[in-house]
This record gives sequence, C-alpha cells and structure tokens, in this order.
Amino acid sequence: AQSVTQLGSHVSVSEGALVLLRCNYSSSVPPYLFWYVQYPNQGLQLLLKYTSAATLVKGINGFEAEFKKSETSFHLTKPSAHMSDAAEYFCAVSEGQAGTALIFGKGTTLSVSS
Amino acid sequence: KAGVTQTPRYLIKTRGQQVTLSCSPISGHRSVSWYQQTPGQGLQFLFEYFSETQRNKGNFPGRFSGRQFSNSRSEMNVSTLELGDSALYLCASSPRQGKNTEAFFGQGTRLTVV
Repeated sequence: AQSVTQLGSHVSVSEGALVLLRCNYSSSVPPYLFWYVQYPNQGLQLLLKYTSAATLVKGINGFEAEFKKSETSFHLTKPSAHMSDAAEYFCAVSEGQAGTALIFGKGTTLSVSS
Repeated sequence: KAGVTQTPRYLIKTRGQQVTLSCSPISGHRSVSWYQQTPGQGLQFLFEYFSETQRNKGNFPGRFSGRQFSNSRSEMNVSTLELGDSALYLCASSPRQGKNTEAFFGQGTRLTVV
C-alpha cells in the first residue's frame, strides 16, 4: 500500500525566511503526489501536484515542490514566508486502481512570526 | 463556478442516533469522495463514488455508508453514532476518475456526538 510521511508536525519560521516542509512517500509504482493547505475551519485547497511531467512542480502562492525518486521525497518549499502562509499543510498520494482516493500524511502546521 | 457545497456545516447528535450529510459537487464533476478528519487519526478516506457507483472504500465499519445520485450529488450516512465519530467530514469532487486528478474540497461538516 502507498503511504506518505511528513517529518515535523510543527514548523516555525520568521516572515521572509525559507519555508521547507518535508514529505516522503512509499510506493511500489510511480506515484501521483499532491500538497494541500488547510486554513482554520476550512476545507483543503490544492497547492500543487506531481504527475511525472516534470520533477520540479510550481504551485500557487509561490510554493514549489521537487520530486526526488532516489530519496522518495516530495518536499514543499517557498523562498520567502508570508504571515498569510500560516496554516496546516498536507502531503498526499493517490491510492487505488483508478480512482481519486487520497492517502494523506499527518500534516505539518506552519507558524510564521513577524 | 460554485465550489463544493456541504450541508450542514455543523451538527450535534446524540450517541446511538444516525446522521446524513450532504455534498453538492462542482457543476460537471462526476466523482465525489468523502474523508474523515480527526486530531488523532488525521485525514482518512471513507469512500468514492463515480456515476452513482461506489468505486473505492476505505477501512471503516459498515455503519458508514454513502450514495450518489444521478445529478452527482452525494450523501453519506452514519448509523448508531459513537463518540469517536465526532470529526470534520470533508467531501471532495473531481471532474473524472483517475489517480492524477485533483480533488476540490468543500468546507466540511463538523459533527459532534454527545
């Protein structure tokens, strides 16, 4: 079965600093990977997705992620954090034969201080 | 285009009762998935429907069931509620099935079982 592991349940950065949120996946087949963001009392919003077209994926709000097969990683980065980036971030892998079922990591809460 | 609409947003039920949650997908989307989010277990996949048929099912007891109507709207039902069923239930819609298809989430229904 496929799975994802997010290292660090809580990450704190200063405004303007680099954001790095870690995600490692386990999959016996080429994975489809996603990063979602959740703001308090809201649903999830897609930041970006990896579908094998390119290893460096650019998403919304200045985020990007790099797929590294040798490291089974799909870490999320943003060069300069903004206060509005404070939220919970989830890495997910697509499961199932042909469906869209997602297997999520435990999530990482990002705090941004001024 | 309207997003995924879930009703109601908040619900309080008594242990032993049953509950029905509703989800209206984005217009034109035919796939609907349901997830349970709790602080302890995180985000867990419940089931997925496409063209009124359940395509995938997560590891939940039979008390959790769902259905999809011809207009793609979906409902999920939980019978004989337990305290542990208290959670945020998220619905997501996708334009089609497929492992690389992104899911668009609603704001969720927060169910509290007392």
